Amino acid sequence: DTAVSQTPKYLVTQMGNDKSIKCEQNLGHDTMYWYKQDSKKFLKIMFSYNNKELIINETVPNRFSPKSPDKAHLNLHINSLELGDSAVYFCASSQGAAVGLFFGEGSRLTVL
Amino acid sequence: GESVGLHLPTLSVQEGDNSIINCAYSNSASDYFIWYKQESGKGPQFIIDIRSNMDKRQGQRVTVLLNKTVKHLSLQIAATQPGDSAVYFCAENTGAGGTSYGKLTFGQGTILTVHP
Repeated sequence: DTAVSQTPKYLVTQMGNDKSIKCEQNLGHDTMYWYKQDSKKFLKIMFSYNNKELIINETVPNRFSPKSPDKAHLNLHINSLELGDSAVYFCASSQGAAVGLFFGEGSRLTVL
Repeated sequence: GESVGLHLPTLSVQEGDNSIINCAYSNSASDYFIWYKQESGKGPQFIIDIRSNMDKRQGQRVTVLLNKTVKHLSLQIAATQPGDSAVYFCAENTGAGGTSYGKLTFGQGTILTVHP
């Protein structure tokens, strides 16, 4: 069983489109995250939810809107996609703060 | 060898050698540190962690050393194997509470290549 699963794994789309990436974790964790990894492999946190409540919102354009329907799911919706949004997006989860994160396999987004 | 600038630092070793990967962290208030391994096309995978009240922690073939005085973290891999080839990241957490709740800040990453 995959602990943190993301779909889709690959996403190719045109500029201006709207797309979503879904994430589910079956670890029973209470905290979920979205990280963005750029072409230089730099990993940067975007959002964090604890028990469905937004607790971290880094300086991310408001075209990005996370949504957590329950503590096992955290989805990421992106409006009006731009070229610079091309990256690998990783979902992660943890039980509480100041502990290790478990990452999904990533969703590679390519904006043409 | 190593490269700087726009490229990730690299470390090339022979199979069986010991590897040491270094990391400088930025926040003196960070109280928890983790090393992650990321293989090509996969997500970061937890290797080992250490809290700031310790200066050394050992796992299976891996050891993490923490020097809070100079804000330096290292990962030692014993008897490195080709399967250890990956990008290695250190991450720091400034602890629970406030805006630092559960927020891991990742370092630049180091590419480890192990030659058979």
